[in-house]
Amino acid sequence: DAGVIQSPRHEVTEMGQEVTLRCKPISGHDYLFWYRQTMMRGLELLIYFNNNVPIDDSGMPEDRFSAKMPNASFSTLKIQPSEPRDSAVYFCASSPLMGPAAKQYFGPGTRLTVT
Amino acid sequence: TQLLEQSPQFLSIQEGENLTVYCNSSSVFSSLQWYRQEPGEGPVLLVTVVTGGEVKKLKRLTFQFGDARKDSSLHITAAQPGDTGLYLCAGGGSGGSNYKLTFGKGTLLTVNP
Repeated sequence: DAGVIQSPRHEVTEMGQEVTLRCKPISGHDYLFWYRQTMMRGLELLIYFNNNVPIDDSGMPEDRFSAKMPNASFSTLKIQPSEPRDSAVYFCASSPLMGPAAKQYFGPGTRLTVT
Repeated sequence: TQLLEQSPQFLSIQEGENLTVYCNSSSVFSSLQWYRQEPGEGPVLLVTVVTGGEVKKLKRLTFQFGDARKDSSLHITAAQPGDTGLYLCAGGGSGGSNYKLTFGKGTLLTVNP
């Protein structure tokens, strides 16, 4: 299996521009998670999906952020308009189940720089 | 909000030394996971502990979950340069249908040859 695939790996954009991050989870995994990692705040859960349905978006910082999962093999995280404080590494992860022993498989991340 | 504090934040040691890193919280977790993250990559799960007092060993790594399920430690024996990385602990939710993970900020370990 190829693992979780994220694109692009690096994104540099100017403040005010729209940014779209993409994720392909591991086939057969019913759960998909979007995280953001910064030095100051560590790794934070933004939103997660179960069977393509958003379950918990309480970590989404504000209305500028939106996430979709149109089918079981694709998800996007969109920031519009982007701001310098959005600069971070964004990770997508997937899991076949959810529970105390569930293992999350992380993608390599997208490093976003907003200037 | 459940918070996990990891210490130390940074640790630099020589090859062959032993070390322990800690993960503490005032909240009770249903499970505790440890991940290792290398530069430019996503975190990779090392172990999951679910029972208070549980101890798990993975080669030279020993993981312990506190009796009250509020804290955990990771002990590495005879560290090697390949152990270098960011070690993250993550607590699983309080149960029910929501087991989303809360991550600590991590301990950045450097093992010098």
